[in-house]
Amino acid sequence: GQQVMQIPQYQHVQEGEDFTTYCNSSTTLSNIQWYKQRPGGHPVFLIQLVKSGEVKKQKRLTFQFGEAKKNSSLHITATQTTDVGTYFCAGLYNFNKFYFGSGTKLNVKP
Amino acid sequence: NAGVTQTPKFQVLKTGQSMTLQCAQDMNHEYMSWYRQDPGMGLRLIHYSVGAGITDQGEVPNGYNVSRSTTEDFPLRLLSAAPSQTSVYFCASSYGGRTSGEQFFGPGTRLTVL
Repeated sequence: GQQVMQIPQYQHVQEGEDFTTYCNSSTTLSNIQWYKQRPGGHPVFLIQLVKSGEVKKQKRLTFQFGEAKKNSSLHITATQTTDVGTYFCAGLYNFNKFYFGSGTKLNVKP
Repeated sequence: NAGVTQTPKFQVLKTGQSMTLQCAQDMNHEYMSWYRQDPGMGLRLIHYSVGAGITDQGEVPNGYNVSRSTTEDFPLRLLSAAPSQTSVYFCASSYGGRTSGEQFFGPGTRLTVL
């Protein structure tokens, strides 16, 4: 079946360091979305990427969608303690089924 | 707007019992879905709906039923609860269509099956 692999599983950084998480699908995606979830909370939408090779920025966050629409990355520059949480990608297949990656849990030490 | 609401927030069931998890949205979204999240894992799609009267299976549909009689409501039924269904259940909605759009998630239902 469809699967979205996400790495790394955990990342511990010092405040101010950069952070990147990667997602990879075995088949072409319709689009990809990124979410952040805090402990005990629900996923909160960050962004959606639709076009091949698309790059979007939100302040210190940079999102990329691969040329083949099979992989994506989220990069955070100069992490802050407020960035703590688990980041998930969600790949959309055939415009109607979402498959989530297993998430990258980010811990930021002040 | 209340967004996406889910009830109950917590539930404990015994093996073999049945129950319905409620989900409602007031954003006139066509696409609604149910996910389960197990510790340390991502969300897995159980069932989804692209509009009233239309439902389809996701990644892990066994043991669950859904129906969509109105745009607003998308209940999830556990037919005969099993300990393997202990999980956190999230309902989500979005505009849907080819570009999908942001999924809004409810606060979740934490279910324990003994």
